[in-house]
Amino acid sequence: DTAVSQTPKYLVTQMGNDKSIKCEQNLGHDTMYWYKQDSKKFLKIMFSYNNKELIINETVPNRFSPKSPDKAHLNLHINSLELGDSAVYFCASSQDPRSLSGELFFGEGSRLTVL
Amino acid sequence: QKEVEQNSGPLSVPEGAIASLNCTYSDRGSQSFFWYRQYSGKSPELIMFIYSNGDKEDGRFTAQLNKASQYVSLLIRDSQPSDSATYLCAVTMNRDDKIIFGKGTRLHILP
Repeated sequence: DTAVSQTPKYLVTQMGNDKSIKCEQNLGHDTMYWYKQDSKKFLKIMFSYNNKELIINETVPNRFSPKSPDKAHLNLHINSLELGDSAVYFCASSQDPRSLSGELFFGEGSRLTVL
Repeated sequence: QKEVEQNSGPLSVPEGAIASLNCTYSDRGSQSFFWYRQYSGKSPELIMFIYSNGDKEDGRFTAQLNKASQYVSLLIRDSQPSDSATYLCAVTMNRDDKIIFGKGTRLHILP
């Protein structure tokens, strides 16, 4: 039973389209994240939600809109896709990021390719 | 100044030797430090975390933290080919509890 699951694993789409990635965690964690990993493997935080409330919103274009219907789910919708959006998007969760041992549990990643 | 810095490598180490991976961070108030391993095409997985100055050992892995120098390292003893991966240093920023990653160091263990 996968702890953090993302769908879809692969997305290939044209510039200008809109796409969504879904994430669910069954660990009972309060905090969920979206990270973007580019072709150089740099893992950059995009958003963080704690119990459905947005707590971290990095400098990300408005075309990216996260939504958390409940604390076990965090979705990412991307409008008007651009070539530079091509990356692997990782969902992650943690029990308490303020804890000294606040481990992140990652999903398998969703590889987005924009043509 | 970048928040978390690592040498991107690749770092090539003979099998059986000690691999030493280094990381520096900018936020002097950071409390927690993590090493994640990421195999190609896979998601990062936690190897170790450390929050007190000094060394922390777990099997073949030792994490070392020096808060005065804002430096954290990971030593891998008796390196195995299966240790070949990208190692990501991560730091919890004091100001906003964000977990920030370095760009990772590619480690290649030579059989």
